Amino acid sequence: DAKTTQPTSMDCAEGRAANLPCNHSTISGNEYVYWYRQIHSQGPQYIIHGLKNNETNEMASLIITEDRKSSTLILPHATLRDTAVYYCIVRPLLGAGSYQLTFGKGTKLSVIP
Amino acid sequence: DGGITQSPKYLFRKEGQNVTLSCEQNLNHDAMYWYRQDPGQGLRLIYYSQIVNDFQKGDIAEGYSVSREKKESFPLTVTSAQKNPTAFYLCASSIAALHSEQYFGPGTRLTVT
Repeated sequence: DAKTTQPTSMDCAEGRAANLPCNHSTISGNEYVYWYRQIHSQGPQYIIHGLKNNETNEMASLIITEDRKSSTLILPHATLRDTAVYYCIVRPLLGAGSYQLTFGKGTKLSVIP
Repeated sequence: DGGITQSPKYLFRKEGQNVTLSCEQNLNHDAMYWYRQDPGQGLRLIYYSQIVNDFQKGDIAEGYSVSREKKESFPLTVTSAQKNPTAFYLCASSIAALHSEQYFGPGTRLTVT
């Protein structure tokens, strides 16, 4: 019963921007959006998180819609090493569920040469 | 070189035996976590610890036990009571339990036959 919906898979050409969507229409005011990725048979890697403002770091940008019901993770110049499963996670700041990351099935991103 | 180490990477056991998975971190993080991942699925929380000598059950704690005697160590014991122990086990840590990103180790793949 994950609180997010993501496409099962996506392809992206190497060097192009990869835009990964996530729907979280039931998000509440104290819940953050986190993104992680998992390369095959490795531990998940933290990418970025945000509450309502757009965020950018050295790995990616996170665009959250004004109503906060959806977001997009942008990898500006995808490389073959970005091939992974990307997880969008909604996490409350306080209360039940605030200690854990609830992973859904994520989006399998394949970067094509 | 800071990080989280899990050993061994692969572990094989006979049914009915208890087995302990190691997790060590040198990030000086207060909080530590254990997750389980089954093929094609997201991660599920087994146990977490906010501070030394304290730990809490996650969503699937039955058949598992943990200890947190030192800040840097959070071993997980998979007991014979765990009905389906074969899985990929991931350890994570964070600066604090609330509102901070979790960093994952490389995982231990346990096979019980």
